[in-house]
Amino acid sequence: GQNIDQPTEMTATEGAIVQINCTYQTSGFNGLFWYQQHAGEAPTFLSYNVLDGLEEKGRFSSFLSRSKGYSYLLLKELQMKDSASYLCAVRDAFGGGATNKLIFGTGTLLAVQP
Amino acid sequence: GAVVSQHPSRVICKSGTSVKIECRSLDFQATTMFWYRQFPKQSLMLMATSNEGSKATYEQGVEKDKFLINHASLTLSTLTVTSAHPEDSSFYICSARAPGQGGSPLHFGNGTRLTVT
Repeated sequence: GQNIDQPTEMTATEGAIVQINCTYQTSGFNGLFWYQQHAGEAPTFLSYNVLDGLEEKGRFSSFLSRSKGYSYLLLKELQMKDSASYLCAVRDAFGGGATNKLIFGTGTLLAVQP
Repeated sequence: GAVVSQHPSRVICKSGTSVKIECRSLDFQATTMFWYRQFPKQSLMLMATSNEGSKATYEQGVEKDKFLINHASLTLSTLTVTSAHPEDSSFYICSARAPGQGGSPLHFGNGTRLTVT
């Protein structure tokens, strides 16, 4: 079966650093994605990991350990506009490349406080 | 960048009627599109994979006769919610993968807020 877990909610302070964890157990693996979603809007792509290690993109970094079924998203220099849901998603490995499904985790609602 | 357009953004309908939602890839061709549903404060649940020129693949528990999917061209997929009931009220989001991008992330439409009264 597919199981992707994240903390439900987190709170952090403006200017600080926050780490959002994601653990997964899936029948196949072909990459892990992080998305940001503001309330009532569509998700927007943040980062992608397919090999172990850290990927850095500006204030956002994402880490993957395939052997542990674990990833985290690191947000630095938090801003108020970072208050949103953060979704971890795993792409399965079945079928052709374009048909690989993206399975989403439960999402983490981050509240950034002044 | 890759753009996916979804229409309408918001619709209210009466129980028993049908509603059609359109999803278009504006600057790329998408042989495959994905339809998700999201209930309040929950994550995205994959409903079906829409394949251009062939039948859609539905996830377990999703009624194919209730959620009709048509993917007649490389840039358009439609989802029709037939005989809608209040429990179908949800946020429906389509997505497509633009070819050639690193990791090929899904790009999402802006979603359709469906309210069935």
